[in-house]
Amino acid sequence: DVKVTQSSRYLVKRTGEKVFLECVQDMDHENMFWYRQDPGLGLRLIYFSYDVKMKEKGDIPEGYSVSREKKERFSLILESASTNQTSMYLCAGSGAKVAGLDTQYFGPGTRLTVL
Amino acid sequence: AQSVTQLGSHVSVSEGALVLLRCNYSSSVPPYLFWYVQYPNQGLQLLLKYTTGATLVKGINGFEAEFKKSETSFHLTKPSAHMSDAAEYFCAVSSTGGNAGNMLTFGGGTRLMVKP
Repeated sequence: DVKVTQSSRYLVKRTGEKVFLECVQDMDHENMFWYRQDPGLGLRLIYFSYDVKMKEKGDIPEGYSVSREKKERFSLILESASTNQTSMYLCAGSGAKVAGLDTQYFGPGTRLTVL
Repeated sequence: AQSVTQLGSHVSVSEGALVLLRCNYSSSVPPYLFWYVQYPNQGLQLLLKYTTGATLVKGINGFEAEFKKSETSFHLTKPSAHMSDAAEYFCAVSSTGGNAGNMLTFGGGTRLMVKP
């Protein structure tokens, strides 16, 4: 079974704190993704990585950064957390370079609350 | 740019009734289309996907979806709802090209409630 794990299921932070969300996949996949999920908005792509140390912005990268130093690990960083970053964060991985040929596999999510 | 619209953020059906969740997409190129399901407190898992070939796609748990190019639709159906089908369902379209070929654009989601 493929597996994507996220470091925390629930996280509570204060405004201005630096926050790290960690994601690990055991599928040897090149591609990894970070989404945020908000009611009525579905999932929106924050950043993705297609190889170690390679990253590209998604649709809503403002206020976030990412790090991928090893193939299996993809970190999402909130440099200075704000209340509007309270959300569910989902990590995913996939192996294909050609659209439609592979599935994105998701982790269980981290529900982040910023007070 | 691609987009996905799911009509109805909440759908309620009785157990044993037909399930119909609607999805319309816009894409400038032939799309790859997906339905994902999210059970409470879990991540998303793939229900089914359309890439090429047969337009009627069968997925897990008795769900199926039909790609209709003329209507730009990919509606999800199940003949008989079960209580365990209560979840949130997301339709997605795949972007083509780029460095990570399988990038997805998601709809807003439809929460399915099943009444006994």
